[in-house]
Amino acid sequence: LAKTTQPISMDSYEGQEVNITCSHNNIATNDYITWYQQFPSQGPRFIIQGYKTKVTNEVASLFIPADRKSSTLSLPRVSLSDTAVYYCLVGPNTGGFKTIFGAGTRLFVKA
Amino acid sequence: GAVVSQHPSRVICKSGTSVKIECRSLDFQATTMFWYRQFPKQSLMLMATSNEGSKATYEQGVEKDKFLINHASLTLSTLTVTSAHPEDSSFYICSARTSHGTTEAFFGQGTRLTVV
Repeated sequence: LAKTTQPISMDSYEGQEVNITCSHNNIATNDYITWYQQFPSQGPRFIIQGYKTKVTNEVASLFIPADRKSSTLSLPRVSLSDTAVYYCLVGPNTGGFKTIFGAGTRLFVKA
Repeated sequence: GAVVSQHPSRVICKSGTSVKIECRSLDFQATTMFWYRQFPKQSLMLMATSNEGSKATYEQGVEKDKFLINHASLTLSTLTVTSAHPEDSSFYICSARTSHGTTEAFFGQGTRLTVV
């Protein structure tokens, strides 16, 4: 399993763009990169997933360089409700593969 | 997206009793479900992988006789905490993937267990 490293915490202000970088030097060829968001006392919620280059959906963008050894989750114009823990996970995209969580990044958005 | 539902969302039990937590995939079939435990301000820790129709696979350090897992159908897995003690108080979360390739794991809303 590829190990991931993220900043422990980040602070931001409402309306700013937030970029959270995840390092995964040992990523395997068949591994995907997936980001989850977790609010207190709730289960994690899927944000975005990618394999290479850039992926964008209605809530975030995911930037993956050519070597795939890192990835950056970009949250445009954050609001107070984006205060949460964000987890970067790396692994195959198959049904039985277990999802192992790292420490995550605690994002705190201030008014 | 797919929905995973856990029940109950909160439970308080007396020390020494057993508690069962259900995890259901509402709109998809999941041959594999996963159970996690999360302590305050910590990350999710994988406890076991629940396989439909077969025995669960437990992570190192997790007592299989204490945390009984049953995955009797393609949409239901249960976790029973037997002879619960205060140190078992935690947030328990299940997740499931669809049986056919692709995409992310879907998580239940979690169950807050308090043992008094």
